[in-house]
Amino acid sequence: GAGVSQSPSNKVTEKGKDVELRCDPISGHTALYWYRQSLGQGLEFLIYFQGNSAPDKSGLPSDRFSAERTGGSVSTLTIQRTQQEDSAVYLCASSAGTSGGATGELFFGEGSRLTVL
Amino acid sequence: GENVGLHLPTLSVQEGDNSIINCAYSNSASDYFIWYKQESGKGPQFIIDIRSNMDKRQGQRVTVLLNKTVKHLSLQIAATQPGDSAVYFCAETMDSSYKLIFGSGTRLLVRP
Repeated sequence: GAGVSQSPSNKVTEKGKDVELRCDPISGHTALYWYRQSLGQGLEFLIYFQGNSAPDKSGLPSDRFSAERTGGSVSTLTIQRTQQEDSAVYLCASSAGTSGGATGELFFGEGSRLTVL
Repeated sequence: GENVGLHLPTLSVQEGDNSIINCAYSNSASDYFIWYKQESGKGPQFIIDIRSNMDKRQGQRVTVLLNKTVKHLSLQIAATQPGDSAVYFCAETMDSSYKLIFGSGTRLLVRP
């Protein structure tokens, strides 16, 4: 596709349920990021994938959060046993380079808004 | 990417005026900085970047200024237009790193 695609755009779930959020990066981009944006806040780094390297999971807030990237392309962010504090917009971004710098700016999707009741 | 925020600092300017959005970054080791624009319901969009070996960089209607001494970054928008209304984030990183660390954002409102 022409840009980063995320689905679903909106997800309402009950506390305790598991959710999966999907990100389809720009074709050919080797770097993929997940960020979380809570209401009125900046973007909080969650996880980073680069090619076939082991992902940097240092931003994941708890072990209820996990992410995979299959075949170096599509990524899925999974939140198990959702809590109300997980409610946020989850943004995915991809980049052609190995950093967010001159080798490739980050291109963001429109996000998946998660609401946990 | 909607980020309606009750607590975001807000800058209100008259259409046609110049806007200056400020950002204090956190890591003195950061050597690469980016400004992003986020419109309601959308993901952030790259505006302009600057490396630490520069103190000023100009784009189309936008200028970024970097003051490493006080760890301060600013975005200047010339002749502000209604389409400039959005939330603006600064982001920092080290060039050797891949993590962009984002600031909390400033909402720009352009009055017609």
